[in-house]
Amino acid sequence: GENVEQHPSTLSVQEGDSAVIKCTYSDSASNYFPWYKQELGKRPQLIIDIRSNVGEKKDQRIAVTLNKTAKHFSLHITETQPEDSAVYFCAATPNDMRFGAGTRLTVKP
Amino acid sequence: DAGVIQSPRHEVTEMGQEVTLRCKPISGHNSLFWYRQTMMRGLELLIYFNNNVPIDDSGMPEDRFSAKMPNASFSTLKIQPSEPRDSAVYFCASSLSGRYNEQFFGPGTRLTVL
Repeated sequence: GENVEQHPSTLSVQEGDSAVIKCTYSDSASNYFPWYKQELGKRPQLIIDIRSNVGEKKDQRIAVTLNKTAKHFSLHITETQPEDSAVYFCAATPNDMRFGAGTRLTVKP
Repeated sequence: DAGVIQSPRHEVTEMGQEVTLRCKPISGHNSLFWYRQTMMRGLELLIYFNNNVPIDDSGMPEDRFSAKMPNASFSTLKIQPSEPRDSAVYFCASSLSGRYNEQFFGPGTRLTVL
């Protein structure tokens, strides 16, 4: 089955800085890569996703890049704000959805 | 739209008791997922239904866990008998079609087994 590794496990940045979270996956058949944000005590919510036929996708301050050859994808958040503080999960799915262990992002004002 | 509805929101029970968690997916969604979240194991997919049919239950930990989806608007996850290590937050999620679309999560059920 799919194995997804996520780094770093914790990330602290100053407001206005950029944050990058990286994930690697094992199954070359994976073709859908969503990112979820989970605030403390709340449910995960999709913030951006990318499919294997696309190398990069942007949505305002958030972008995701995918390198299928190297089997890794990354989340980029620019101009971070305190409300970006949360746990971020990556996932990869060919036949089953596997989540990374999560990255706790703290944005210091 | 009310979103995915889960009940109960909190459940405290004693070891050995039967626990039933309930989920109502978003109307029109034909895929439903049950997840378990713990600090140690993160977010784990337990089972996935498509059009009320279980497609992948490889994540169900053991025979004590069972899930059903008798119709398009209702699913249950049952643990019998429950054990302290089952304590976790259980999320239900639904999507428009399959695993390759956005999943909308319910608020979760926090289960504590004493």
